[in-house]
Amino acid sequence: DQQVKQNSPSLSVQEGRISILNCDYTNSMFDYFLWYKKYPAEGPTFLISISSIKDKNEDGRFTVFLNKSAKHLSLHIVPSQPGDSAVYFCAARGDTNAGKSTFGDGTTLTVKP
Amino acid sequence: DAGVIQSPRHEVTEMGQEVTLRCKPISGHDYLFWYRQTMMRGLELLIYFNNNVPIDDSGMPEDRFSAKMPNASFSTLKIQPSEPRDSAVYFCASSLPPDRAPRHSPLHFGNGTRLTVT
Repeated sequence: DQQVKQNSPSLSVQEGRISILNCDYTNSMFDYFLWYKKYPAEGPTFLISISSIKDKNEDGRFTVFLNKSAKHLSLHIVPSQPGDSAVYFCAARGDTNAGKSTFGDGTTLTVKP
Repeated sequence: DAGVIQSPRHEVTEMGQEVTLRCKPISGHDYLFWYRQTMMRGLELLIYFNNNVPIDDSGMPEDRFSAKMPNASFSTLKIQPSEPRDSAVYFCASSLPPDRAPRHSPLHFGNGTRLTVT
């Protein structure tokens, strides 16, 4: 049973437009949700997170929205830039298992100039 | 800080050989994780340590896999004997505990070891 799902393997957007990456989860015990960005031949790097008690967190061009009732979160990037082209992983963890995160399969974002 | 350091970056070996992957976590990070990335299974947690003690190894696929953390600055993941289905990218990650970090306690990943077993 995959507890964190990213149903879109890939997304292509034009530079300057908004990118929306989606993530669904099944475990209502998750307390934190994190997005990681991964370039080829590198490890994932942390991008932005949100606590389960919030519904929005913003950091510059990146905003994460959480809909707990739907068990859904999304990452908005606006405006999108070619350097944002990467694989984006959604991850979730509970508060008691510090750091033990469950990852989605990732979405490959391509931002075209 | 140099970040999480993994070696080697690439490993090509023949089926049946022993493989040892190495990881140096970020200094001061109490948690260390080994993840494996494959096309079929995505990023899956194999094992994690807290203060050098294995906490959860339920993700280790079988007895051929073993991991150790002899001290706070070094961990190994060993596969013996290796099989072609072990081919994957293996990531090591470390993190601070939530009480000494932002509550979301993000993972800091190394650049991975790409293992190919022929």
